[in-house]
Amino acid sequence: EVQLLESGGGLVQPGGSLRLSCAASGFTFSTYAMAWVRQAPGKGLEWVSAISGSGGLTYYADSVKGRFTISRDNSDNTLYVQMNNLRAEDTAVYYCAKDTPSFLALFDYWGRGTLVTVSS
Amino acid sequence: EIVLTQSPGTLSLSPGERATLSCRASQSVSSSYLAWYQQKPGQAPRLLIYATSSRATGIPDRFSGSGSGTDFTVSISRLEPEDFAVYYCQQYGSSPSFGGGTKVEIK
Repeated sequence: EVQLLESGGGLVQPGGSLRLSCAASGFTFSTYAMAWVRQAPGKGLEWVSAISGSGGLTYYADSVKGRFTISRDNSDNTLYVQMNNLRAEDTAVYYCAKDTPSFLALFDYWGRGTLVTVSS
Repeated sequence: EIVLTQSPGTLSLSPGERATLSCRASQSVSSSYLAWYQQKPGQAPRLLIYATSSRATGIPDRFSGSGSGTDFTVSISRLEPEDFAVYYCQQYGSSPSFGGGTKVEIK
């Protein structure tokens, strides 16, 4: 059974940093691209970032480019996102999502999410 | 960036009725790259439909998708109590984006 478990969310001040983790199990992690998708309170979904199975390719939404860094540890089946210079508009539930084998940003499994609140 | 606009914002229906949800794109989307997700309160999204009309694993056949170009639709033939939720369309392949969602609520 595929499982994705996010952690690392919390309250952070504007300009601060946070690193989210996503522990994956139930599939061959290194074979699949992974992504972060966020959802601001009461709002819709926003794709944030993606990384290829090997980790060699990374992609970012314009809204986070230069501030967020996605990475993965295939030896530990864990996905990360380092979030720097956080803004109030980054407040959201952050979901870890597994891509299908074609690396097309089509997400067949999602974690339960971790809440990031950026506020002074 | 392709902007997806979903309508209506809210659909009020009774169990057993048919639901039809719309997703319009700001530019043409390959039919291979249009998906629909269902999200219930406090839960993660669940993949329902991909490539416009293919049901994801375990999705019942009362869900169906159609469309091409800039206009896509997902239909639920007979609403079951568990179908009341928010539905999002998504275009994928490159620079993925999601629609704003349609809430299907009990009338």
